[in-house]
Formats: sequence, C-alpha cells, structure tokens
Amino acid sequence: SSELTQDPAVSVALGQTVRITCQGDRLRSYYASWYQQKPGQAPLLVIYAKDNRPSGIPDRFSGSSSGNTASLTIAGAQAEDEAVYYCNSRDSSGNLLGAFGGGTKLTVL
Amino acid sequence: QVQLQESGPGLVKPSQTLSLTCTVSGGSIGSGGYYWSWIRQHPGKGLEWIGYTYYTGSAYYNPSLKSRVTISVDTSKNQFSLKLTSVTAADTAIYYCARGEFYGDYVGAFDYWGQGTLVTVSS
Repeated sequence: SSELTQDPAVSVALGQTVRITCQGDRLRSYYASWYQQKPGQAPLLVIYAKDNRPSGIPDRFSGSSSGNTASLTIAGAQAEDEAVYYCNSRDSSGNLLGAFGGGTKLTVL
Repeated sequence: QVQLQESGPGLVKPSQTLSLTCTVSGGSIGSGGYYWSWIRQHPGKGLEWIGYTYYTGSAYYNPSLKSRVTISVDTSKNQFSLKLTSVTAADTAIYYCARGEFYGDYVGAFDYWGQGTLVTVSS
C-alpha cells in the first residue's frame, strides 16, 4: 500500500471549488508536490513546495498543508482540469521524492 | 526549455535486462543541482518512483526494486540510463524519465518529464 493516501475519485461541478487531499505521516515534516496527468500524457507539475505554481499553471490551482494532510485546491474548476492528480513527497527510506499517492481521478461535471 | 526523451527497446523477454536511456536537452546534467530520475506507471495504475542519480554518479533507489536496478549517468553525452535486471511481466509499464529538483531539505519536485516509453515484457 502507498505511504501517501488519496481518495480514488472526486467530482466537482463546472466552476465550483474542489479540494483533493493527500495523507501521510511524513507530511507533518515534508512538503508535497502535486502532478496532473491527462490520458496519454506525462504527468505535469502543478504545485511544489506546498503552494508554489510553475510558470504557466493557472492561479486557480493552489496548495496547502495541515498536520499530516496536504491539499490541492482548484478554485473554479474548468473542463480541462479533468485528470488524475498525484501527490508526491518523501518516502520512509529517506528519499525526498520517493513516494507517490495512489492518485485521485477528478471528474468535472 | 529543458526537454527529456526516453529511448530503448519496447519489448523485452522475461528474465532479461531492460535498458533505457534518457537524453536531456536544454540543460546540462553536469552542471549539478538536479536529480535525474526514473518513474514508471503500470498500465492503468499509479506512478512508482524507481530511483534517481546525481551528476556525480551517486544513485538512490526504491527499496522494492533496489536489488534489480542500476541508474547511471553519462555527462559527456548528457544522458542517464536505467537498467532493470531479471524482468517479468510485472515490469511491463510506461517508463518516464524526469528531472528532480530539491528546494531544501524538506521539499522537492519533478519539474520536467519525458513523454514516456512503453516497455512490454513478453516472450
């Protein structure tokens, strides 16, 4: 089983706000990064260092962290945001990027 | 703009060694500062970190694969490589190379990815 736990699926109405969560003990000390993967494409970094967006990522994407939970929030979800979202952080062996969550399939209704 | 491109056989026989190379353009592996990574995705499943290497040749591996994996770097060619020995059908996956950046002791991310290459293990 994954060291980082994500809900398998979440849905949101078009234009509404959705939060995708990632839980794990090591998130109390280490930040998560978040990746968006659309069918047939490589993952794309959308949030790093808790709440930083790479160039080109819309500002409707934001990140936060509290206790053992990291969250990715999409404010005003668009149809093009429908994808699988993965969190990533340190694993139990000390590798800073060694653990991925199982992924959350986001459906925009 | 950094770009990564995987190359290698798409079909490998069981018990043989899977070998892939990632060619980096738009940036120099030898300049340091990044961890050059391999990540795989079984068909229809999630992402699995395989390991990463630094330009010095130091490498770090997923404990579950460590006995079978070697990741090496060739700074003269601006490439890094993956070797996975004794493959079985369970190693059939899309293999991605990616660049990892550490922003401090407690945070990092994979900021650039290759397009991925499907490797099938079958006789």
